[in-house]
Amino acid sequence: KQEVTQIPAALSVPEGENLVLNCSFTDSAIYNLQWFRQDPGKGLTSLLLIQSSQREQTSGRLNASLDKSSGRSTLYIAASQPGDSATYLCAVIYTGTASKLTFGTGTRLQVTL
Amino acid sequence: NAGVMQNPRHLVRRRGQEARLRCSPMKGHSHVYWYRQLPEEGLKFMVYLQKENIIDESGMPKERFSAEFPKEGPSILRIQQVVRGDSAAYFCASSPPGSGGDYGYTFGSGTRLTVV
Repeated sequence: KQEVTQIPAALSVPEGENLVLNCSFTDSAIYNLQWFRQDPGKGLTSLLLIQSSQREQTSGRLNASLDKSSGRSTLYIAASQPGDSATYLCAVIYTGTASKLTFGTGTRLQVTL
Repeated sequence: NAGVMQNPRHLVRRRGQEARLRCSPMKGHSHVYWYRQLPEEGLKFMVYLQKENIIDESGMPKERFSAEFPKEGPSILRIQQVVRGDSAAYFCASSPPGSGGDYGYTFGSGTRLTVV
Protein backbone atom coordinates (compact mmCIF):
# COMPACT_ATOMS: atom_id res chain seq x y z
CA LYS A 1 0.00 0.00 0.00
CA GLN A 2 1.35 3.42 -0.93
CA GLU A 3 1.50 5.49 2.23
CA VAL A 4 3.25 8.56 3.60
CA THR A 5 4.34 8.84 7.22
CA GLN A 6 5.54 11.87 9.10
CA ILE A 7 7.37 11.90 12.40
CA PRO A 8 7.23 13.38 14.89
CA ALA A 9 3.52 14.12 15.04
CA ALA A 10 4.22 17.20 17.15
CA LEU A 11 7.30 19.22 17.96
CA SER A 12 7.97 22.18 20.22
CA VAL A 13 11.22 24.12 19.97
CA PRO A 14 12.49 27.45 21.30
CA GLU A 15 12.91 30.30 18.88
CA GLY A 16 16.19 30.30 16.98
CA GLU A 17 16.67 26.56 16.84
CA ASN A 18 17.31 24.70 13.62
CA LEU A 19 14.99 21.76 13.17
CA VAL A 20 14.30 18.81 10.90
CA LEU A 21 10.94 17.33 9.97
CA ASN A 22 10.82 13.84 8.54
CA CYS A 23 8.70 12.26 5.85
CA SER A 24 8.88 8.67 4.67
CA PHE A 25 7.08 6.98 1.79
CA THR A 26 6.59 3.31 1.12
CA ASP A 27 7.26 3.14 -2.63
CA SER A 28 10.30 4.66 -4.31
CA ALA A 29 8.41 5.05 -7.60
CA ILE A 30 7.42 8.64 -7.01
CA TYR A 31 6.81 11.42 -9.51
CA ASN A 32 7.48 14.26 -7.09
CA LEU A 33 7.15 15.32 -3.47
CA GLN A 34 5.72 18.55 -2.13
CA TRP A 35 5.91 20.15 1.32
CA PHE A 36 3.01 22.29 2.51
CA ARG A 37 2.26 24.40 5.51
CA GLN A 38 -1.22 24.53 7.06
CA ASP A 39 -2.20 27.11 9.64
CA PRO A 40 -5.12 26.31 11.99
CA GLY A 41 -8.42 26.62 10.17
CA LYS A 42 -6.72 27.68 6.97
CA GLY A 43 -5.76 26.21 3.62
CA LEU A 44 -2.48 24.75 2.44
CA THR A 45 0.46 26.86 1.39
CA SER A 46 3.00 25.21 -0.88
CA LEU A 47 6.55 25.49 0.45
CA LEU A 48 8.77 23.37 -1.75
CA LEU A 49 8.36 20.97 -4.67
CA ILE A 50 11.02 18.34 -5.39
CA GLN A 51 10.90 16.40 -8.64
CA SER A 52 11.93 12.75 -8.54
CA SER A 53 15.16 13.56 -10.37
CA GLN A 54 16.19 16.18 -7.82
CA ARG A 55 17.98 15.78 -4.51
CA GLU A 56 16.97 19.00 -2.78
CA GLN A 57 15.25 22.35 -3.05
CA THR A 58 15.81 25.53 -1.07
CA SER A 59 13.69 28.56 -0.36
CA GLY A 60 14.90 31.09 2.17
CA ARG A 61 15.31 29.36 5.54
CA LEU A 62 13.78 26.15 4.22
CA ASN A 63 15.62 23.26 2.63
CA ALA A 64 13.99 20.03 1.55
CA SER A 65 15.92 16.92 0.57
CA LEU A 66 14.79 13.78 -1.21
CA ASP A 67 16.29 10.30 -1.07
CA LYS A 68 14.15 8.01 -3.20
CA SER A 69 16.16 4.89 -2.53
CA SER A 70 15.53 5.09 1.20
CA GLY A 71 12.02 6.50 0.80
CA ARG A 72 12.71 9.64 2.79
CA SER A 73 12.44 13.39 2.62
CA THR A 74 13.43 15.92 5.23
CA LEU A 75 12.40 19.53 5.67
CA TYR A 76 15.07 21.59 7.38
CA ILE A 77 14.04 24.91 8.93
CA ALA A 78 16.87 27.18 9.94
CA ALA A 79 16.68 29.74 12.75
CA SER A 80 13.06 28.99 13.60
CA GLN A 81 10.66 31.81 14.43
CA PRO A 82 7.30 31.89 16.23
CA GLY A 83 5.70 32.62 12.85
CA ASP A 84 6.84 29.19 11.68
CA SER A 85 4.34 27.58 14.05
CA ALA A 86 1.96 25.54 11.90
CA THR A 87 1.33 22.00 10.70
CA TYR A 88 3.73 20.84 8.02
CA LEU A 89 2.45 18.34 5.50
CA CYS A 90 4.40 16.14 3.15
CA ALA A 91 2.64 14.88 0.01
CA VAL A 92 3.81 12.47 -2.66
CA ILE A 93 2.64 11.78 -6.20
CA TYR A 94 3.28 8.12 -6.80
CA THR A 95 4.02 7.17 -10.39
CA GLY A 96 0.99 5.94 -12.26
CA THR A 97 -1.58 7.42 -9.89
CA ALA A 98 -2.95 10.10 -12.24
CA SER A 99 -1.37 12.98 -10.32
CA LYS A 100 -3.05 12.19 -7.00
CA LEU A 101 -1.33 13.52 -3.91
CA THR A 102 -0.90 11.10 -1.03
CA PHE A 103 -0.53 13.08 2.18
CA GLY A 104 1.13 12.33 5.46
CA THR A 105 -0.74 13.23 8.63
CA GLY A 106 1.60 16.11 9.32
CA THR A 107 3.93 17.43 11.98
CA ARG A 108 2.47 20.10 14.26
CA LEU A 109 5.26 22.58 15.01
CA GLN A 110 5.25 25.11 17.80
CA VAL A 111 8.08 27.62 18.09
CA THR A 112 8.14 29.27 21.49
CA LEU A 113 9.60 32.60 22.51
CA ASN B 1 -3.70 36.79 -10.14
CA ALA B 2 -6.24 35.36 -7.74
CA GLY B 3 -5.48 31.98 -6.28
CA VAL B 4 -7.85 29.05 -6.02
CA MET B 5 -11.15 30.38 -4.74
CA GLN B 6 -13.47 28.24 -2.69
CA ASN B 7 -16.85 29.19 -1.34
CA PRO B 8 -18.45 29.19 1.01
CA ARG B 9 -15.71 29.18 3.66
CA HIS B 10 -18.09 27.71 6.21
CA LEU B 11 -21.26 25.76 5.56
CA VAL B 12 -23.72 24.40 8.09
CA ARG B 13 -26.28 21.87 6.98
CA ARG B 14 -28.85 19.80 8.83
CA ARG B 15 -28.82 16.06 8.37
CA GLY B 16 -30.56 15.12 5.12
CA GLN B 17 -29.93 18.41 3.35
CA GLU B 18 -27.72 18.94 0.33
CA ALA B 19 -24.33 20.64 0.43
CA ARG B 20 -22.80 22.35 -2.61
CA LEU B 21 -19.17 23.36 -2.49
CA ARG B 22 -17.66 25.53 -5.20
CA CYS B 23 -14.12 25.84 -6.47
CA SER B 24 -12.76 28.25 -9.06
CA PRO B 25 -9.25 27.26 -10.16
CA MET B 26 -6.41 29.65 -10.73
CA LYS B 27 -6.49 31.50 -14.03
CA GLY B 28 -5.10 29.27 -16.74
CA HIS B 29 -5.51 26.08 -14.70
CA SER B 30 -7.81 23.46 -16.15
CA HIS B 31 -7.24 20.59 -13.72
CA VAL B 32 -9.13 20.49 -10.44
CA TYR B 33 -8.74 18.10 -7.52
CA TRP B 34 -10.88 17.73 -4.44
CA TYR B 35 -9.54 16.50 -1.11
CA ARG B 36 -11.25 15.91 2.22
CA GLN B 37 -9.72 16.40 5.65
CA LEU B 38 -11.63 14.70 8.42
CA PRO B 39 -11.03 15.91 11.99
CA GLU B 40 -7.61 14.81 13.24
CA GLU B 41 -6.89 12.98 9.98
CA GLY B 42 -4.79 13.67 6.92
CA LEU B 43 -6.06 14.91 3.59
CA LYS B 44 -7.53 12.23 1.37
CA PHE B 45 -7.96 12.43 -2.38
CA MET B 46 -11.54 12.40 -3.61
CA VAL B 47 -11.75 13.26 -7.30
CA TYR B 48 -9.75 14.68 -10.21
CA LEU B 49 -11.53 16.59 -12.96
CA GLN B 50 -10.74 18.42 -16.14
CA LYS B 51 -13.20 20.61 -17.98
CA GLU B 52 -16.33 18.49 -18.61
CA ASN B 53 -14.51 15.28 -17.68
CA ILE B 54 -14.05 13.22 -14.55
CA ILE B 55 -10.57 11.74 -14.80
CA ASP B 56 -10.34 9.82 -11.53
CA GLU B 57 -13.05 9.49 -8.90
CA SER B 58 -11.53 6.58 -7.03
CA GLY B 59 -11.61 8.47 -3.72
CA MET B 60 -15.26 9.47 -3.88
CA PRO B 61 -17.79 7.63 -1.72
CA LYS B 62 -20.01 5.61 -4.02
CA GLU B 63 -23.23 7.16 -2.80
CA ARG B 64 -24.42 10.72 -2.21
CA PHE B 65 -21.26 12.39 -3.52
CA SER B 66 -20.81 13.80 -7.01
CA ALA B 67 -18.54 16.31 -8.69
CA GLU B 68 -18.53 18.26 -11.90
CA PHE B 69 -16.38 20.81 -13.68
CA PRO B 70 -18.45 22.36 -16.45
CA LYS B 71 -17.14 24.16 -19.50
CA GLU B 72 -18.11 27.45 -17.88
CA GLY B 73 -18.11 28.21 -14.19
CA PRO B 74 -16.61 26.67 -11.10
CA SER B 75 -16.18 23.04 -10.16
CA ILE B 76 -18.94 21.83 -7.85
CA LEU B 77 -18.72 19.11 -5.22
CA ARG B 78 -22.20 18.03 -4.24
CA ILE B 79 -23.12 15.99 -1.21
CA GLN B 80 -26.70 14.83 -1.03
CA GLN B 81 -28.51 13.84 2.17
CA VAL B 82 -25.61 14.85 4.38
CA VAL B 83 -24.83 12.91 7.54
CA ARG B 84 -22.75 13.91 10.57
CA GLY B 85 -19.81 11.90 9.25
CA ASP B 86 -19.57 14.26 6.27
CA SER B 87 -18.43 17.05 8.60
CA ALA B 88 -14.94 17.89 7.41
CA ALA B 89 -12.83 20.44 5.60
CA TYR B 90 -13.01 20.10 1.84
CA PHE B 91 -10.10 21.46 -0.15
CA CYS B 92 -9.77 22.12 -3.83
CA ALA B 93 -6.49 22.28 -5.71
CA SER B 94 -5.72 23.23 -9.27
CA SER B 95 -2.83 22.79 -11.68
CA PRO B 96 -1.99 23.93 -15.20
CA PRO B 97 -3.04 21.81 -18.18
CA GLY B 98 -0.87 18.88 -19.13
CA SER B 99 1.42 19.20 -16.16
CA GLY B 100 0.64 16.04 -14.24
CA GLY B 101 1.76 17.85 -11.17
CA ASP B 102 5.02 19.07 -12.70
CA TYR B 103 4.57 22.48 -11.18
CA GLY B 104 2.94 21.39 -7.97
CA TYR B 105 -0.53 22.22 -6.80
CA THR B 106 -2.16 25.37 -5.50
CA PHE B 107 -4.79 24.84 -2.85
CA GLY B 108 -7.77 26.94 -1.89
CA SER B 109 -8.61 27.90 1.68
CA GLY B 110 -11.18 25.15 1.94
CA THR B 111 -14.83 24.84 2.86
CA ARG B 112 -15.57 23.68 6.38
CA LEU B 113 -18.77 21.70 6.38
CA THR B 114 -20.58 21.11 9.64
CA VAL B 115 -23.58 18.80 9.70
CA VAL B 116 -25.88 19.30 12.66
